[in-house]
This record gives sequence, structure tokens and C-alpha cells, in this order.
Amino acid sequence: LAKTTQPISMDSYEGQEVNITCSHNNIATNDYITWYQQFPSQGPRFIIQGYKTKVTNEVASLFIPADRKSSTLSLPRVSLSDTAVYYCLVEGFNKFYFGSGTKLNVKP
Amino acid sequence: EAGVAQSPRYKIIEKRQSVAFWCNPISGHATLYWYQQILGQGPKLLIQFQNNGVVDDSQLPKDRFSAERLKGVDSTLKIQPAKLEDSAVYLCASSLAGLAGAADTQYFGPGTRLTVL
Repeated sequence: LAKTTQPISMDSYEGQEVNITCSHNNIATNDYITWYQQFPSQGPRFIIQGYKTKVTNEVASLFIPADRKSSTLSLPRVSLSDTAVYYCLVEGFNKFYFGSGTKLNVKP
Repeated sequence: EAGVAQSPRYKIIEKRQSVAFWCNPISGHATLYWYQQILGQGPKLLIQFQNNGVVDDSQLPKDRFSAERLKGVDSTLKIQPAKLEDSAVYLCASSLAGLAGAADTQYFGPGTRLTVL
């Protein structure tokens, strides 16, 4: 089971782009990379998922290099409401692991 | 579309008492998960069901925790007897299916905050 390593916390200001990097050196060939967001007193919420290269949706982009040993979640122009904990998961068939996540603090 | 429902939202009990949590997943979702989240930590998977069968319960403390998913729909998680270290948020999630070769998006409920005194 591929475990992940993320920074414990990050600070940013409103309007900036935020990049959170996750290391997953033992990722298997069939594993996907998924990011979840969690606000206080709520369950985690799916943000984005990818296998390789770049994936973009309405809220974020996910960059995965060719060796897939890391991935970067990019949040464009963050606002105060993006203050949350962000979890990187490596997921395969019926296997996945939530680490401790990255606490993002967006300041005005 | 209705989300994952959990009840109760909060529960306070004394140690050695028993407690039960209920979860109703999104309609049509075959897979159901129970997690324990201690303050400041990521969610820890306790048990995963596919329909009414157990896929993974390797991290469930079976001497005191039990879970069932009768009829493959809603589920209950029970703790008996509770210990102080069981104080946590208990999250339920569901996903459409565990598909071979593809990760499955999980949808989480709001959780039940348990305090054991």
C-alpha cells in the first residue's frame, strides 16, 4: 500500500495560486492519485483524481510527472473559503490510505 | 441527489457504556466505509463493505467494535464497551462500486462526534 507524504501546513493569501505537493514513491502501476478537501466538522469531499500528466476541473488542476512518484494539486486564486485540510491518496482497487493531510490557511 | 446520512450527529457517553451509529449511503452505492477520525489526524478506515459482505476490516478493533450492513443498504457501527480513546468523529462514506483497475470516488457523510467521559 503506497503511503503518501505531504507538508503539514501551508499559508497563502487571497488571490494567490497554491500548489501542494505529495510524494508517493511506492505507487503501483494501476494506482490512481486522488485529492480530498475537508472543512472543520464535515466529511472529506472529492476534489480531483488523475493517473498521469495533467487533469483539470472547475476547481483545481492535478499535475503528475512521468515517474508518478509525486503529484501537485494546484488551486488557482484561492479565497478565504479554501481554508481547509487537503488529503492526497493513492488508490487502487479496494486499497487506499488517508495520511494526515496539509492544512491550508488562506489569509486576507 | 441525497447525500450520505448519519445519525446521531453528536453523542456523549461514559466509558464502558455502549453506543451505536447509523449510516444510510447514497442510493445505488454498493460500497460503504466506516472511518474513525481522531482530532488532528486523517481518517482511519475501520471497515469496508461491498453490498453486505466485508471487504476489509483489518483495522477494526474486533474485541469492542462491530459493524453490520444487512440487506446491503444502511449500516450500523457499534462500540461495546467504549474507552476514553474512542473519542473521535466516526465518518461513513459510500461509493458506487469497487471497480477493478480504477479508483472509486467516496462520498462522505457529516460524521458523528463521539465523546467518551
